[in-house]
Amino acid sequence: RKEVEQDPGPFNVPEGATVAFNCTYSNSASQSFFWYRQDCRKEPKLLMSVYSSGNEDGRFTAQLNRASQYISLLIRDSKLSDSATYLCVVNGNAGGTSYGKLTFGQGTILTVHP
Amino acid sequence: DAGVIQSPRHEVTEMGQEVTLRCKPISGHDYLFWYRQTMMRGLELLIYFNNNVPIDDSGMPEDRFSAKMPNASFSTLKIQPSEPRDSAVYFCASSLDYYSGQFFGPGTRLTVL
Repeated sequence: RKEVEQDPGPFNVPEGATVAFNCTYSNSASQSFFWYRQDCRKEPKLLMSVYSSGNEDGRFTAQLNRASQYISLLIRDSKLSDSATYLCVVNGNAGGTSYGKLTFGQGTILTVHP
Repeated sequence: DAGVIQSPRHEVTEMGQEVTLRCKPISGHDYLFWYRQTMMRGLELLIYFNNNVPIDDSGMPEDRFSAKMPNASFSTLKIQPSEPRDSAVYFCASSLDYYSGQFFGPGTRLTVL
C-alpha cells in the first residue's frame, strides 16, 4: 500500500462547478497534513494546511479524519485558474524515522473549462 | 521576502560531467530538502537537513549523488559523474520547523546528454 494515495483523476469540470479530492494515508502517527498545487512546469506551492477541525480559505475547504486516515479538499465555484495538479501531502511522525519528512501523493490533475 | 532561491534554473551537460546545483533556503528555516521530479517517478525526496545536519539521505539514488549544507543559508547537490537518467527537475525546499509546510524553489531543470 502506498503511504499516500489520491483519487486517480483526472477531473475535468466546467467553471463554477464544485469538485472534491480525496486522499488516504497509511501512517496513523502522521502529524501534519497539507494540500499543494503544482502548475505545469512550476514548483509545488503550499495551498493550505489541513487541521482536524477542518479549515476553509475562501473557496477551498480542507477536512481531516484521523480515525479513517482520510483527507479531503473541496473547491467551490471553480475558476479556470484552478486548473493544476493537486497534491495531498503528509508529514511523518515525530521521533520516527520520517521525522520532518513530507510524503507526497501522486497528484490529481484538475482541468476547469469554460 | 525572498523565497527559496535555486541556481542554475536550467543546466544542460554531457554524460560524465560534474553537475552542481545550489540552493538558498528562506532565512530562519531550519529544514532543507532536496527533491527530484520526473514524469515516471513523480516527486522523490533525495535528502533533507535539519540545522545543517543531514537527517535522511535514503533517497539519494547512488554514490554519484552527494549533498552538503555548510551553513544555514546555502546547500549544494552534486552529481558526479552525471548520466542521462539523471535528467529531471531538481527542487530545493525549506520549512520553518517540523510541523510546517515546505516552500519550494523554482527548481533546476537538468538535462544530461
